[in-house]
Amino acid sequence: AQTVTQSQPEMSVQEAETVTLSCTYDTSESDYYLFWYKQPPSRQMILVIRQEAYKQQNATENRFSVNFQKAAKSFSLKISDSQLGDAAMYFCAYRSFYRDDKIIFGKGTRLHILP
Amino acid sequence: DAMVIQNPRYQVTQFGKPVTLSCSQTLNHNVMYWYQQKSSQAPKLLFHYYDKDFNNEADTPDNFQSRRPNTSFCFLDIRSPGLGDAAMYLCATSLTRDYGYTFGSGTRLTVV
Repeated sequence: AQTVTQSQPEMSVQEAETVTLSCTYDTSESDYYLFWYKQPPSRQMILVIRQEAYKQQNATENRFSVNFQKAAKSFSLKISDSQLGDAAMYFCAYRSFYRDDKIIFGKGTRLHILP
Repeated sequence: DAMVIQNPRYQVTQFGKPVTLSCSQTLNHNVMYWYQQKSSQAPKLLFHYYDKDFNNEADTPDNFQSRRPNTSFCFLDIRSPGLGDAAMYLCATSLTRDYGYTFGSGTRLTVV
């Protein structure tokens, strides 16, 4: 069974600085999708960025980028120029390409932005 | 413009009293999911529907049931809520496998 591990329960970063959130996963599949979701306090969970495992190029969405290391099964999220609105719980997630429709989530990293 | 709507946002129910949470979507997505999320934990999948096909997770308690009368609506029924069922319940939809989910805002359930 696939698992997703986020080893940092909480992190803090100064406003305007860069922060990297770590995620590792375990799978025997060669094709899959990886996601980062953001869940602000008392608000809806939204998709931040997605990565297809068969693509070597790292996904980027504005200030958010990933470092996808397939051999190491690592999928970290970098947030550049951190803003107060980035404060949230961030979940790393895995979805199989072949079977099942469900997404498997990590336990999350709570990110604090210091003004 | 909310596309996945969960009602109510907050629900308080008595121990053992049946409760129903609802989810509706305007996206016409064929897959709908119910997740349970307890404080500081990862969302845990309870079940999902692929169209009308119901898929239950092996460790979902029998106390939890679901209905999907049509594409737009999905309900989560908790037959006899216990204190341990207090959590945020998230509904999500998905169109195809290569996309992530679209989530609703969640319903926070309190059991008293």
